[in-house]
Amino acid sequence: EDQVTQSPEALRLQEGESSSLNCSYTVSGLRGLFWYRQDPGKGPEFLFTLYSAGEEKEKERLKATLTKKESFLHITAPKPEDSATYLCAVRGSGNTGKLIFGQGTTLQVKP
Amino acid sequence: GEEVAQTPKHLVRGEGQKAKLYCAPIKGHSYVFWYQQVLKNEFKFLISFQNENVFDETGMPKERFSAKCLPNSPCSLEIQATKLEDSAVYFCASSQSPLTGNGYTFGSGTRLTVV
Repeated sequence: EDQVTQSPEALRLQEGESSSLNCSYTVSGLRGLFWYRQDPGKGPEFLFTLYSAGEEKEKERLKATLTKKESFLHITAPKPEDSATYLCAVRGSGNTGKLIFGQGTTLQVKP
Repeated sequence: GEEVAQTPKHLVRGEGQKAKLYCAPIKGHSYVFWYQQVLKNEFKFLISFQNENVFDETGMPKERFSAKCLPNSPCSLEIQATKLEDSAVYFCASSQSPLTGNGYTFGSGTRLTVV
């Protein structure tokens, strides 16, 4: 069964304090691992898609990496505006395109 | 338009009442997905459509829940005889190519509260 587990559940950082969020996954034949950002009261906003082990993608202070079992979202020198819930999802192994989500990591960055 | 439009933003229903939620996908996107987000950010897949055809309904509860996507109309998700446990945020997402590419674009959700 396809499964996604994120850790930690919540993370508090001081502004400028770099850290990483973890996403462990189990899926038969990965066809995409996704990172989304969700702000309170809003829908998830797309950040990255990774397809194969060793792949990395960057956007501003965020960098996503992928291995065969997990993905990391590295946040370098975060700012308060990076505070949000970060969701990881994998495209399910069935041929329907549905995403299987993790529980999310809620990040709070204090000034 | 370039956004997925969901209405209403908030919906309050008494137990046993019907709830109907609407979703207008991005123009040109032929796939629509419905997800239910309950406590602690848990997203549960409900159903997807390719145009007006059901694409995947493996997450849809067997009873009380139904959905449609008709031509030239917003898609809809209907819950008959709502229960307290149906309280959640319901998200719709649309995509041109869900089997490849960058997943899909989500709407802002409809918060359903059953009292």
